[in-house]
Formats: sequence, C-alpha cells, structure tokens
Amino acid sequence: DAGVIQSPRHEVTEMGQEVTLRCKPISGHDYLFWYRQTMMRGLELLIYFNNNVPIDDSGMPEDRFSAKMPNASFSTLKIQPSEPRDSAVYFCASKGTQTMNTEAFFGQGTRLTVV
Amino acid sequence: GQSLEQPSEVTAVEGAIVQINCTYQTSGFYGLSWYQQHDGGAPTFLSYNALDGLEETGRFSSFLSRSDSYGYLLLQELQMKDSASYFCAVDSSYKLIFGSGTRLLVRP
Repeated sequence: DAGVIQSPRHEVTEMGQEVTLRCKPISGHDYLFWYRQTMMRGLELLIYFNNNVPIDDSGMPEDRFSAKMPNASFSTLKIQPSEPRDSAVYFCASKGTQTMNTEAFFGQGTRLTVV
Repeated sequence: GQSLEQPSEVTAVEGAIVQINCTYQTSGFYGLSWYQQHDGGAPTFLSYNALDGLEETGRFSSFLSRSDSYGYLLLQELQMKDSASYFCAVDSSYKLIFGSGTRLLVRP
C-alpha cells in the first residue's frame, strides 16, 4: 500500500475562495481523521470518521468547514469561504482496529496558505 | 474534555538519554501513544501503551501509569537524527488527541 495519500501538497488561495483538500486512506482502515497543525495551536483534531460515518466533528472550527467521506477510499475537507487564519498544514490520518496496535498513519499533509 | 501536558523543549547531548514526560486528563482512556515529527514532515508512530509498564522498541521505550495519568518516552543513545518534535497522544474512544509536542534538540 502507498500509505495515506493527500492532495494537493501545497495550496495557495485568495481569501474568500473555496478550498478542497483530498485524502485517500490506507485500504482496509476503518478510521479516518482530519487534523490541522499550526505553531500556536499544535495538532488539532477537526473530525473523524468510522466506516465512512462522521463520529465527532466537535473540532471543526466553524460552519465554513465541512468534511465528507462518500466511500471507504476517499474523504474531503472543504473550507468555504477561506480566510487567512485558516492557513495551516492539514493532515489526514487513517487507522485500523483489527489488532491491538492502534497506530495511526499520516499523509504528508497539505500546506494551505490563504492570502 | 481532554488535555495533555508535556514540556515544550528539551536539549540533550549526542549519546545521552532523555526522558519526555506526559500527563493527561481524559475520559474513556484506551491507551497512550507517542509520535515523532521532523520539521516539514508528517507525524510517525513510535509506540503505544495500553497497560501499565514499560514497552521497549530498540533505543526507544515508553512507560504508562494509568493510576497517575502519566507516561513518558525514553530515548537512549541519542543521535543527531533524533532531533524532532515528539507528541504524546491519548487514544480516547478511538479518538486520537495530541499533546502540544516537545521539541528535542540533540547537540554534538
């Protein structure tokens, strides 16, 4: 497996534009997490899914953020409209629960800059 | 809610041993994980403790005390490549919550 794949790796957009981040989890993993990382706030959990169903979205900052997982191999995080304070690195991670080891595998992240 | 505390920065000399502590407050605790992140990279898994005691993986060991809500990561025979940020993370009802991270600087 190629690991968790995120796209794009870098995104620069203007304030007010819509941004869509994409994630392909590791095949067979039933948990998918979206995190945001900034110097000030560290690694924040935004939302997580189990078997494609959103379980906890309490970390989503506001209504401008939305996430979907239409199938087991794809998830999106959308920001509309984007603002400069959304600039951060966004990570997607997936995890399986078939074993006792609960290692989460992270994608390489999307570095978002909103100008 | 959940909260985790770990030191923000630690400096050590190559070849030495360093311990990074983590205390946590959470509900629905399943276990404590440790992740390493190099600048510009993604977090990568180091270890996981579900039960009290010490887990050893090569130069790295991790300890958990559930009664004290405390754990630590022990890095031995430090190498320059160990300079990175280290995060403890609570596995709480399958939700992974991360601490703010400890930046480890290894000096020659």
